[in-house]
Amino acid sequence: DVKVTQSSRYLVKRTGEKVFLECVQDMDHENMFWYRQDPGLGLRLIYFSYDVKMKEKGDIPEGYSVSREKKERFSLILESASTNQTSMYLCASKLQGRNTEAFFGQGTRLTVV
Amino acid sequence: DAKTTQPPSMDCAEGRAANLPCNHSTISGNEYVYWYRQIHSQGPQYIIHGLKNNETNEMASLIITEDRKSSTLILPHATLRDTAVYYCIVRVGDDYKLSFGAGTTVTVRA
Repeated sequence: DVKVTQSSRYLVKRTGEKVFLECVQDMDHENMFWYRQDPGLGLRLIYFSYDVKMKEKGDIPEGYSVSREKKERFSLILESASTNQTSMYLCASKLQGRNTEAFFGQGTRLTVV
Repeated sequence: DAKTTQPPSMDCAEGRAANLPCNHSTISGNEYVYWYRQIHSQGPQYIIHGLKNNETNEMASLIITEDRKSSTLILPHATLRDTAVYYCIVRVGDDYKLSFGAGTTVTVRA
């Protein structure tokens, strides 16, 4: 089975801190994604990566950056955390191609105080 | 971009079939229709996908209209564990971008 692992299930950080959310997948998938999920807003795409060192902005990239130095790992970075970044963060991965499904991690619930 | 339209919520009785509609009137010929669901406090889970033909797997059936402008996900015998948010996605443009809408909140009642 494909496994997408997010480093933390729950995280509490202070305003202004630099925050790293890590995601690792074990199936050699080319594509990886970061979403945030807020009540009433569904899943919103922050960034995605289609290959190592390649990244594209999603729908809400402001305040975030990403890093993909290795194929299996995709990191989401909050350079200076703010309270409006309190959210559930979800990582996903998939094989390249139109006929492939995405696999999601369990999510990281981040609280910025 | 081809967009999808889903009802925000629906109820279903346990043991009955749940039929979840999705409109994607601007879909183009080579775009697949995907369905995912998200049970509370978990990451989304893939259910099924299709291009033109109807599809069935152990979880659900997918009925796509002949003009491909709409589809229906069918959960044949809904259980309480099927209570979740269901997302209909049409992948558009660039192959690797995957965008979710608000989905349909399905509540299965005993």
